Amino acid sequence: QKEVEQDPGPLSVPEGAIVSLNCTYSNSAFQYFMWYRQYSRKGPELLMYTYSSGNKEDGRFTAQVDKSSKYISLFIRDSQPSDSATYLCAILNRDDKIIFGKGTRLHILP
Amino acid sequence: DTGVSQNPRHKITKRGQNVTFRCDPISEHNRLYWYRQTLGQGPEFLTYFQNEAQLEKSRLLSDRFSAERPKGSFSTLEIQRTEQGDSAMYLCASSASGRSYEQYFGPGTRLTVT
Repeated sequence: QKEVEQDPGPLSVPEGAIVSLNCTYSNSAFQYFMWYRQYSRKGPELLMYTYSSGNKEDGRFTAQVDKSSKYISLFIRDSQPSDSATYLCAILNRDDKIIFGKGTRLHILP
Repeated sequence: DTGVSQNPRHKITKRGQNVTFRCDPISEHNRLYWYRQTLGQGPEFLTYFQNEAQLEKSRLLSDRFSAERPKGSFSTLEIQRTEQGDSAMYLCASSASGRSYEQYFGPGTRLTVT
């Protein structure tokens, strides 16, 4: 089983909708969970990191971790065309290395 | 602080040639990481440095790959005798020690081997 799994999409939603992006992970010992945004042909940009369970909010973005089901989510409120990108979930494993999901391609339709 | 920078941004080379990429991390970060990303995949860890010491290398990093960080500031990644399978985006990231979960990436170097 891969350490982190993510549906590659693509996911298309209309402008203004709430977007939900999700990943699952394999090891309940993981404590740090990250979301990155990557525009085409650019480097990944750290959106936020979360420690352990719970929610973390930053503007229109909310990251959520459910350790009981080993599920991590990113919600985007009031989605904008500029949010169109690939979103990568990631975990910090026991070797102190970041393991990324494959990324979900998101398209916000004007 | 201008963030992590990488040069060149794009490199086209013929199979069998050697290439070298450079990464300049965020100045106060003492950890520097190299990743490789292919189409439709997330970045994959290659190696990382704490100051000038290379602490770990992935088994993805064949003997043709070598990385250095001579003075604990910028780093170089060299690929010798390039193969078509080396075509990828090579990403550099940096973090403060103890904050590996907070890595900041550069724009990447896109390598095309013909």
